[in-house]
Amino acid sequence: VQLMESGGGLVQPGGSLRVSCAASGFTFSTFAMAWVRQAPGKGLEWVSSISGTGGRTYDRDSVKGRFTISRDNTKNTLYLQMNSLRAEDTAVYYCAKEGVEDRYDSSGQYLDSWGQGTLVTVSS
Amino acid sequence: LVLTQSPSASASLGASVKLTCTLSSGHSHYAIAWHQFHPEKGPRYLMKLNHDGSHSKGDGIPDRFSGSSSGAERHLTISSLQSEDEAEYYCQTWGTGNLVFGGGTKVTAL
Repeated sequence: VQLMESGGGLVQPGGSLRVSCAASGFTFSTFAMAWVRQAPGKGLEWVSSISGTGGRTYDRDSVKGRFTISRDNTKNTLYLQMNSLRAEDTAVYYCAKEGVEDRYDSSGQYLDSWGQGTLVTVSS
Repeated sequence: LVLTQSPSASASLGASVKLTCTLSSGHSHYAIAWHQFHPEKGPRYLMKLNHDGSHSKGDGIPDRFSGSSSGAERHLTISSLQSEDEAEYYCQTWGTGNLVFGGGTKVTAL
């Protein structure tokens, strides 16, 4: 299993950014996926999850209405579109794979694979 | 649903260290996962740990990493601590559409 994030960078407050995660080594469409972030000097924080088909998505309250998780199962790629970015969104963003096949078009399992992360910095 | 971890733990090289992750009230039957976040190597899944102490480790995880459970506590034991085990360790649990992480424990080898 390989997960490789890209697209991080410096963006001004109120700006937008899309990060991507290219997946390989497993049947991408049969596993739910998640984005998890780690702000500088802080612990891990779940951001968003998406079912295997992409039919269901889940977000933490602080990003609802601003962030959109999506996936393209033809390209084995996971995305996180981030709008109206705030300084408190500054973090390393990791994509992660759930450890159990998604049989119910849902999400919510242990994570068994991680990418190396991509840094998003929101600053003027 | 909250997971509580001590911020730090330490042990001498070659000694054993036991980390604890405590599930909040009413959730003592939940399974968790342990993850290692190494400052240079990055993140790695260690194991899934069930309420009865049974656990399944990730590929290539050394035998010195083991898990156990007692009530609402989930433990990760690193026996014969190596320098490369110095890292942050996080526990994680889950519900439908929701993932929860503990605050992490930084392990230092003395």
